[in-house]
Amino acid sequence: ETGVTQSPTHLIKTRGQQVTLRCSSQSGHNTVSWYQQALGQGPQFIFQYYREEENGRGNFPPRFSGLQFPNYSSELNVNALELDDSALYLCASSRGASGYNEQFFGPGTRLTVL
Amino acid sequence: QKEVEQDPGPLSVPEGAIVSLNCTYSNSAFQYFMWYRQYSRKGPELLMYTYSSGNKEDGRFTAQVDKSSKYISLFIRDSQPSDSATYLCAMSGTGAGSYQLTFGKGTKLSVIP
Repeated sequence: ETGVTQSPTHLIKTRGQQVTLRCSSQSGHNTVSWYQQALGQGPQFIFQYYREEENGRGNFPPRFSGLQFPNYSSELNVNALELDDSALYLCASSRGASGYNEQFFGPGTRLTVL
Repeated sequence: QKEVEQDPGPLSVPEGAIVSLNCTYSNSAFQYFMWYRQYSRKGPELLMYTYSSGNKEDGRFTAQVDKSSKYISLFIRDSQPSDSATYLCAMSGTGAGSYQLTFGKGTKLSVIP
């Protein structure tokens, strides 16, 4: 069983640019959640996709957007990058979208905004 | 007040010690409690998952939940240098917004040989 994978591993962008991060969910999982983890902090929920629809969103502005594809892989897009967007971006997949579904994380993409 | 409070440490213990990690929370809707281990510059790895109050044991790890006190713990017995990592508690609930995990800040643990 393949685990959650993310690409790229690292990314350096400048302020104002746009970035796309990718996530492949674990086999058998139909739900992907994205989290932002700043240095020294716990992950913060960005949004969740369930069966290709956004299922819920945390306290992040609209310049954070996403997609989920028919194979349940997902993208996170961030427009108009700001310095504070520098963080580790994590995706987690699960078998369903309920609170009791265990979420399994990928290795993350480290984004640096200069 | 944050929904989940976790002492960030750092916590340094000798090899073989018993480690106790704790989180408190304020949201009564939380029903599912997890502990994740995160090595430096890696993604979190699910260690323990418990539902509501009670204890759960898995090898050297024991997770404890006390819903009346809104307090959860993770105990590590016979700690090893390979246990050196950041430990994150996480919680989710039922109803609206139940899908998201709410994390503590993480406790950085070092086990000294």
